[in-house]
Amino acid sequence: DGGITQSPKYLFRKEGQNVTLSCEQNLNHDAMYWYRQDPGQGLRLIYYSQIVNDFQKGDIAEGYSVSREKKESFPLTVTSAQKNPTAFYLCASGKGRRSYNEQFFGPGTRLTVL
Amino acid sequence: DAKTTQPNSMESNEEEPVHLPCNHSTISGTDYIHWYRQLPSQGPEYVIHGLTSNVNNRMASLAIAEDRKSSTLILHRATLRDAAVYYCILSNPGNTGKLIFGQGTTLQVKP
Repeated sequence: DGGITQSPKYLFRKEGQNVTLSCEQNLNHDAMYWYRQDPGQGLRLIYYSQIVNDFQKGDIAEGYSVSREKKESFPLTVTSAQKNPTAFYLCASGKGRRSYNEQFFGPGTRLTVL
Repeated sequence: DAKTTQPNSMESNEEEPVHLPCNHSTISGTDYIHWYRQLPSQGPEYVIHGLTSNVNNRMASLAIAEDRKSSTLILHRATLRDAAVYYCILSNPGNTGKLIFGQGTTLQVKP
């Protein structure tokens, strides 16, 4: 089945530790996106990538880093510089440059920093 | 980025039609109108999109005002599984596919 997967579903970390969230897609999409969602709020864009080996900052990139070494993978690292990392993180993929194409979302990773 | 305005919440009875409004008075000529919905603790799901003409698909219909400053998502027969947060989003080709999510409308469906 084609789709987008995120792991793990729940993640707990101690304050000050870096943590990497996984996102994989087998839809052959060029573009991938990372969003953050806080309780009762809409999604906010962290980083996005239109093509392998290239990515751009979104609206709230501070304290996060990404890589795009393979078309199907777009991992997100939450660094210790992120002041309030506890949130629901969503990865998406899409055809990218044509905005009328839909984005497909993964099931999300709920990160809790203790 | 052009903004959208939606009611915070709406209620509907099961098996009745639901009309979810969205205002986007600053829409530009090249902005597409997208609707996504999000069930609790899940990622958003694409519902429908349009540019100028009304659109229908298996999930819903999208009615776009002639001046494009507003649109309405129509669920023809609401079911309990349609209870979700519905987001109306504008996206422009110049934004390279970015979606700007607002607060959305929380739809409650009563049996």
